[in-house]
Amino acid sequence: NAGVTQTPKFQVLKTGQSMTLQCAQDMNHEYMSWYRQDPGMGLRLIHYSVGAGITDQGEVPNGYNVSRSTTEDFPLRLLSAAPSQTSVYFCASSSAPGGRFTDTQYFGPGTRLTVL
Amino acid sequence: DAKTTQPNSMESNEEEPVHLPCNHSTISGTDYIHWYRQLPSQGPEYVIHGLTSNVNNRMASLAIAEDRKSSTLILHRATLRDAAVYYCILRAYSGAGSYQLTFGKGTKLSVIP
Repeated sequence: NAGVTQTPKFQVLKTGQSMTLQCAQDMNHEYMSWYRQDPGMGLRLIHYSVGAGITDQGEVPNGYNVSRSTTEDFPLRLLSAAPSQTSVYFCASSSAPGGRFTDTQYFGPGTRLTVL
Repeated sequence: DAKTTQPNSMESNEEEPVHLPCNHSTISGTDYIHWYRQLPSQGPEYVIHGLTSNVNNRMASLAIAEDRKSSTLILHRATLRDAAVYYCILRAYSGAGSYQLTFGKGTKLSVIP
């Protein structure tokens, strides 16, 4: 199992450019999510999905779009990048939808994004 | 949401036990206590979780106070690879299938050789 993979590892964008951060998992997990981590801060939830075709907003969704067409993939799109979106982005997945509070989330290695 | 309070940083000597405290005085009866850690330049990784009883696994032990208002993550023998930021998280079901992990700033553990 590769677990949770993210591409690219590093990215530099100019203000106004768009891009997609890729996330894939091979554990057949139904739940996937995106977090961002700013320097000296904990992670904040951007968007999440509880299964293919179902997505919802987290704590800081503005400026980001997501879709979930397959169980394996959960891309994060920046439509018009802004310097405030400079951050490290982590994708995570877990099993056990349905209200149990004991599932373990598996995180990818992160994408370090800089917006100039 | 119930919040947690952790010291900003702690130090430990290598091969000695480490006790990482977490206060969660507003915890509700259905909140699970989870611990994750984040090694430098990596994504967080799960360490352990519990509800009421103390828990052990290959990585650590979790001691939960009887009133559940505090807990302690115990690393039995710290190694240099345990140097990381440790997050204490209360796992609350926030409705309609969401599984949010709310991360605070955590405790940065330094291990001294």
